[in-house]
Amino acid sequence: AQRVTQPEKLLSVFKGAPVELKCNYSYSGSPELFWYVQYSRQRLQLLLRHISRESIKGFTADLNKGETSFHLKKPFAQEEDSAMYYCALSGHGNNRLAFGKGNQVVVIP
Amino acid sequence: DTGVSQDPRHKITKRGQNVTFRCDPISEHNRLYWYRQTLGQGPEFLTYFQNEAQLEKSRLLSDRFSAERPKGSFSTLEIQRTEQGDSAMYLCASSLANREETQYFGPGTRLLVL
Repeated sequence: AQRVTQPEKLLSVFKGAPVELKCNYSYSGSPELFWYVQYSRQRLQLLLRHISRESIKGFTADLNKGETSFHLKKPFAQEEDSAMYYCALSGHGNNRLAFGKGNQVVVIP
Repeated sequence: DTGVSQDPRHKITKRGQNVTFRCDPISEHNRLYWYRQTLGQGPEFLTYFQNEAQLEKSRLLSDRFSAERPKGSFSTLEIQRTEQGDSAMYLCASSLANREETQYFGPGTRLLVL
């Protein structure tokens, strides 16, 4: 079974402070991990994926297979980072995404 | 706008009625997915198509739910004899089957069953 856990529902940070969103997963095979973001009144969109190993909008995420985690980090939060963030997983050989419950991030000016 | 589109954006219906939603994917995308999202939860997978073939269905998809993609382009999701528990946001996503497949989501159809 594919399972994604995002323990914190709401995260409030001050502008310029670091942000870390936790994501843990459960999957018996070799997963592909993603972070999706939904800004206010916009559709869900891909932020980054672990195989790309790139930084998007200052965000990075490292897949830690030992800890089965894929935490999202940004050193300095900006007001435009306020959004809903979802961690998602797809398993090898299947394409469906399993999402966590999401984190609401509020960046305080 | 060449993104995924969904119609209608909102639907209010009475319990026991049938409803049908439409999804138009990005034109060259051969995969199409349906998800359901309830309040406070992430999207949950319902079913997906590659071209016109429905390749996987979730256990969440009861026999009151049926999805089609007859010509491998747009898709419809029908819910028969709606129940209050069907109230949710229904999301469609499309993708191109390749090594770095990315699912692009539509704006969703919000269903309220009274």
